[in-house]
Amino acid sequence: KQEVTQIPAALSVPEGENLVLNCSFTDSAIYNLQWFRQDPGKGLTSLLLIQSSQREQTSGRLNASLDKSSGRSTLYIAASQPGDSATYLCAVMDSSYKLIFGSGTRLLVRP
Amino acid sequence: NAGVMQNPRHLVRRRGQEARLRCSPMKGHSHVYWYRQLPEEGLKFMVYLQKENIIDESGMPKERFSAEFPKEGPSILRIQQVVRGDSAAYFCASAKGGSDTEAFFGQGTRLTVV
Repeated sequence: KQEVTQIPAALSVPEGENLVLNCSFTDSAIYNLQWFRQDPGKGLTSLLLIQSSQREQTSGRLNASLDKSSGRSTLYIAASQPGDSATYLCAVMDSSYKLIFGSGTRLLVRP
Repeated sequence: NAGVMQNPRHLVRRRGQEARLRCSPMKGHSHVYWYRQLPEEGLKFMVYLQKENIIDESGMPKERFSAEFPKEGPSILRIQQVVRGDSAAYFCASAKGGSDTEAFFGQGTRLTVV
């Protein structure tokens, strides 16, 4: 059974810092991995999708890596801003095409 | 191309009533997922559907909950005889299908059972 874990559960950093969020999964038989952002009381916004054959994806200040063999992904946020404050969720598409989510990392960027 | 549309955004039901949640996938998407999110918790998978087929309902409670995705019209998540514990945000996602496609989420329906 695929399980997805995200650490840390919460993170508070001053504005301008670079930071790394971690995601691990137990079964390497995945089709892809997606990072989402969720603001309080809102839906999910897709940030980055990494196909199983890829190692990383970049979008603006965000960079996501995937190491399928070790069951790990990281989301790197450069030069953090208060507007980056949100919950970040990692999800893998497993071998039966289900999206399995981690519990998320709550990020607070202090001005 | 409109995103994934869920309605209603907020739904209040008394205990014992039925709740019907609707999800219209993005144009061209034939795969729909439903998730439940309790306050301060992550998203829990409920059901995965393709047009006219339930592919995986392993996350759905055996009683009172059902889902459908008809050939025409939106996907419906139906909760019969709601109880207070059903209060949660219910999110729908759609994807084109296949292994390398991105899932897009709706804004969710927040169900409150009073």
